[in-house]
Amino acid sequence: GESVGLHLPTLSVQEGDNSIINCAYSNSASDYFIWYKQESGKGPQFIIDIRSNMDKRQGQRVTVLLNKTVKHLSLQIAATQPGDSAVYFCAEREWAIKAAGNKLTFGGGTRVLVKP
Amino acid sequence: DTEVTQTPKHLVMGMTNKKSLKCEQHMGHRAMYWYKQKAKKPPELMFVYSYEKLSINESVPSRFSPECPNSSLLNLHLHALQPEDSALYLCASSQDGSGNTEAFFGQGTRLTVV
Repeated sequence: GESVGLHLPTLSVQEGDNSIINCAYSNSASDYFIWYKQESGKGPQFIIDIRSNMDKRQGQRVTVLLNKTVKHLSLQIAATQPGDSAVYFCAEREWAIKAAGNKLTFGGGTRVLVKP
Repeated sequence: DTEVTQTPKHLVMGMTNKKSLKCEQHMGHRAMYWYKQKAKKPPELMFVYSYEKLSINESVPSRFSPECPNSSLLNLHLHALQPEDSALYLCASSQDGSGNTEAFFGQGTRLTVV
């Protein structure tokens, strides 16, 4: 189930089940979205990205869905494994002046705990 | 080589000290970033360098001073920090700022200001 902890929402998942992590973004002008995984003591690790002209993209065991109408992004992880336990962040790019650099804004994060 | 390397991994400094954080990448990326991350919070953008020029400063206090000596290196000079500046400082790089390319992150420097 999903619960709201003191600081981070937490999703507890049984090993082998599918996980769905949700993210609401705020800027309708955002044109590019990324999901990152962050394990304890490490930097964020790229999982998958999606452009605003797409509504679905699949990777290995992961699928990202984008609903621009309601400004919602989700990450689906198939057959969740213990190694998937981490904090997951969505990030949106606010389109800045070309060649000014990506201005990535991160969402609040969801902790995924995989139970054996 | 798809790594962003940050040094040191841990740093403890006093409020009167001057120290520097270093970041290096050899992926040919032309955009580099500094983020600050407090515990159980998302990373927050501080600075963006694009083609070795500072392109974005997110109203960061002047006690943080970034420097990009060349396209592979990014430094963050620290002076007169406060205890509330204690955080994980993350460096990232991306191919450039004009395309839809992900940012690769380093492992971060855990900074403690005493």
